[in-house]
Amino acid sequence: GENVEQHPSTLSVQEGDSAVIKCTYSDSASNYFPWYKQELGKGPQLIIDIRSNVGEKKDQRIAVTLNKTAKHFSLHITETQPEDSAVYFCAAVNYGQNFVFGPGTRLSVLP
Amino acid sequence: EAQVTQNPRYLITVTGKKLTVTCSQNMNHEYMSWYRQDPGLGLRQIYYSMNVEVTDKGDVPEGYKVSRKEKRNFPLILESPSPNQTSLYFCASRTLSVGLYGYTFGSGTRLTVV
Repeated sequence: GENVEQHPSTLSVQEGDSAVIKCTYSDSASNYFPWYKQELGKGPQLIIDIRSNVGEKKDQRIAVTLNKTAKHFSLHITETQPEDSAVYFCAAVNYGQNFVFGPGTRLSVLP
Repeated sequence: EAQVTQNPRYLITVTGKKLTVTCSQNMNHEYMSWYRQDPGLGLRQIYYSMNVEVTDKGDVPEGYKVSRKEKRNFPLILESPSPNQTSLYFCASRTLSVGLYGYTFGSGTRLTVV
């Protein structure tokens, strides 16, 4: 079955710097890759996603890139702000619509 | 507002005392699911349902039951809770329409079994 690894597990950056979180997946049939942000005391919230026919997608300060050959995808956050501090989860989804989540990355943005 | 509502937010119970966590969504989503979240293990799927009266096991179904009698509701039942079911639980829903769309998650239920 699908296995999703996520690195790093924790990440601290200075406010204004960029943050990058990387996920690798094992199942070449996976074709949808969402990213979720979980703030303290809340449920995960979808922030951006990418489909396998696209290499990159941007939404203001966040972007996701996908390398299907290498089976990895990354979340990029530019100009980080304190409100970006949260746990971020990636997921890989195949045509069977089974979501497999990564273990999460705790991002801390230091003022 | 489109949302998934689960109750209660916090629950402390004793071993063996049956409990139900409710989940309701107002987006007419076909697919609903329960996850548990444990430190270092991420989100693991317990059960899911693709439509009314259709449920199936996820990765960690032991000790749990679900039902889907109505499209909007998907309760999680622990008939005889044990301490290893102490966890943070999330209900989530999504559409099965053409294309793949992400989940909408509830705010979570923190369960402690003593």
